[in-house]
Amino acid sequence: DAGITQSPRYKITETGRQVTLMCHQTWSHSYMFWYRQDLGHGLRLIYYSAAADITDKGEVPDGYVVSRSKTENFPLTLESATRSQTSVYFCAVDGMPGGQETQYFGPGTRLLVL
Amino acid sequence: TQLLEQSPQFLSIQEGENLTVYCNSSSVFSSLQWYRQEPGEGPVLLVTVVTGGEVKKLKRLTFQFGDARKDSSLHITAAQPGDTGLYLCAGAVDGANSKLTFGKGITLSVRP
Repeated sequence: DAGITQSPRYKITETGRQVTLMCHQTWSHSYMFWYRQDLGHGLRLIYYSAAADITDKGEVPDGYVVSRSKTENFPLTLESATRSQTSVYFCAVDGMPGGQETQYFGPGTRLLVL
Repeated sequence: TQLLEQSPQFLSIQEGENLTVYCNSSSVFSSLQWYRQEPGEGPVLLVTVVTGGEVKKLKRLTFQFGDARKDSSLHITAAQPGDTGLYLCAGAVDGANSKLTFGKGITLSVRP
């Protein structure tokens, strides 16, 4: 049971390209989250989802789009990548069905935008 | 906006030493979590504290939640090189839809 998987683990792209980062959970937990982690800023919430077809903005949503057509998947799309979006991206899910105040993280995707 | 300040930002100690690090806020949290993150990996949950004044122990790690539920401390006894990593605290607020506010983290290096 892998829990939370992210793909790709590493990605290099160019400015202006569209990039989609995938997140998959093997559980059926309600809440899923996308964070970016940058030196000096810590973990910042981009978007989150309470359930399939329910998404909401976090602290830094600009330039990103999310969808959640199935409970287990929560892809994050950079519509037109910029260098400032170079970062490490983490997906997380809440602690149990129905929601809990703890989160479990995937291994991360390291994105470099040239 | 709830902010969590972690201190110190960096800490380098010798194996066997004791240390305490802090997570402070002016906001009240319904619970607080501590995570450890190793290079190239995602954060891993260490503990969740929910009651003011609560103390939890995880082997050589002792976590305390402040009485007013605004701050927390992490004490490590006889640190080992395997304790090296980034320690993150995160606070939850009632009614915040499972969202967490994260501190910027404490980078701990334990030298053999």
